[in-house]
Amino acid sequence: DSGVTQTPKHLITATGQRVTLRCSPRSGDLSVYWYQQSLDQGLQFLIQYYNGEERAKGNILERFSAQQFPDLHSELNLSSLELGDSALYFCASSVRAGYNEQFFGPGTRLTVL
Amino acid sequence: LAKTTQPISMDSYEGQEVNITCSHNNIATNDYITWYQQFPSQGPRFIIQGYKTKVTNEVASLFIPADRKSSTLSLPRVSLSDTAVYYCLVGDPSYGGSQGNLIFGKGTKLSVKP
Repeated sequence: DSGVTQTPKHLITATGQRVTLRCSPRSGDLSVYWYQQSLDQGLQFLIQYYNGEERAKGNILERFSAQQFPDLHSELNLSSLELGDSALYFCASSVRAGYNEQFFGPGTRLTVL
Repeated sequence: LAKTTQPISMDSYEGQEVNITCSHNNIATNDYITWYQQFPSQGPRFIIQGYKTKVTNEVASLFIPADRKSSTLSLPRVSLSDTAVYYCLVGDPSYGGSQGNLIFGKGTKLSVKP
């Protein structure tokens, strides 16, 4: 158990819908990262927050957005969902912003039908 | 953008030493090299991190040559439970190194046979 929690575990929805994925980092970690993992694309970095502020952006679509709240939990919002958005979404946390030892959560499996 | 290259797959037998190499051109001066292990349907797990020369912990060693353009993860005496995908992670200098865009390699699928 990494100490990072993600909800829900599974999510099934339809194209065009909007969903919110939630992540609680390890106690004491200020940085949260979001990743998307699909079979054909591997593990793709989406976005990073540090202590409530956006720190870095990766290959995140404009239909996706995220935020980190004062209690440091984070939410990833996915809208206008397409079939290709079906994937595993992982959240990770770390103590510092530029620290590569990240602790990953169990993931949320999103299926778009 | 920084790019990493790893073998797609490797096979080994229980008890052997396994070495997985990652090539990473354009690594930033202040970047560290980090390796992760991932089992199916689980999040990646940190294995080891290093900057140069050699780093060793209880599960693996990491060898980094002077030019830092590659690194080798060494797993001593592998067992069946080491069957997993191994990722090499470096910072992307286009975004300021390890504090910017984080790039995982494609991963190496290691299969350990009895």
